[in-house]
Amino acid sequence: DAKTTQPNSMESNEEEPVHLPCNHSTISGTDYIHWYRQLPSQGPEYVIHGLTSNVNNRMASLAIAEDRKSSTLILHRATLRDAAVYYCILGISSGSARQLTFGSGTQLTVLP
Amino acid sequence: NAGVMQNPRHLVRRRGQEARLRCSPMKGHSHVYWYRQLPEEGLKFMVYLQKENIIDESGMPKERFSAEFPKEGPSILRIQQVVRGDSAAYFCASSPGTGRLANYGYTFGSGTRLTVV
Repeated sequence: DAKTTQPNSMESNEEEPVHLPCNHSTISGTDYIHWYRQLPSQGPEYVIHGLTSNVNNRMASLAIAEDRKSSTLILHRATLRDAAVYYCILGISSGSARQLTFGSGTQLTVLP
Repeated sequence: NAGVMQNPRHLVRRRGQEARLRCSPMKGHSHVYWYRQLPEEGLKFMVYLQKENIIDESGMPKERFSAEFPKEGPSILRIQQVVRGDSAAYFCASSPGTGRLANYGYTFGSGTRLTVV
């Protein structure tokens, strides 16, 4: 499976935008880019996913580089409730189900 | 539309006892995945099941651990003769399977926290 690289930790001030980067230089043409987050003492929560085009939903935006070798999860206004570990995951193609492979993720700290 | 239900939320077992963890997938989901998260570590895949079939158990320890997803009822992760090193959070996820997966992500339960004393 293609691997992802994320910074171990990031900090943000409350109500400011946060850009969480992810490198995936070995991504294949059919791999979707998924983001999950895990709040303390909870299970992972789906955030957003995309293939080639940038994506927006109520939680976040996903900006995908033109060569697809990197992507950025954007939280437009961080709140204290956004403090979590954010995981960037590849390898989920549209036609089949398979297990997710979690890396170490990025621990996001939101400062009041 | 209930999400993935896991029970119990907390489970305490003495060394040598058996632990049974249950997972009911989302309605309409036919695929179940079990993950383990040791303290201060990331999630590690254990096993992937469809109804009555184990698809991939490459992450399961070879001994004492087993999983099933019967035609009726929840998926069960069973740990026999538990040891202190089995203490962890066990998460279950479900997905709809083929075709519709790309429309939305996998759904995780809140987990079962197993403590072996």
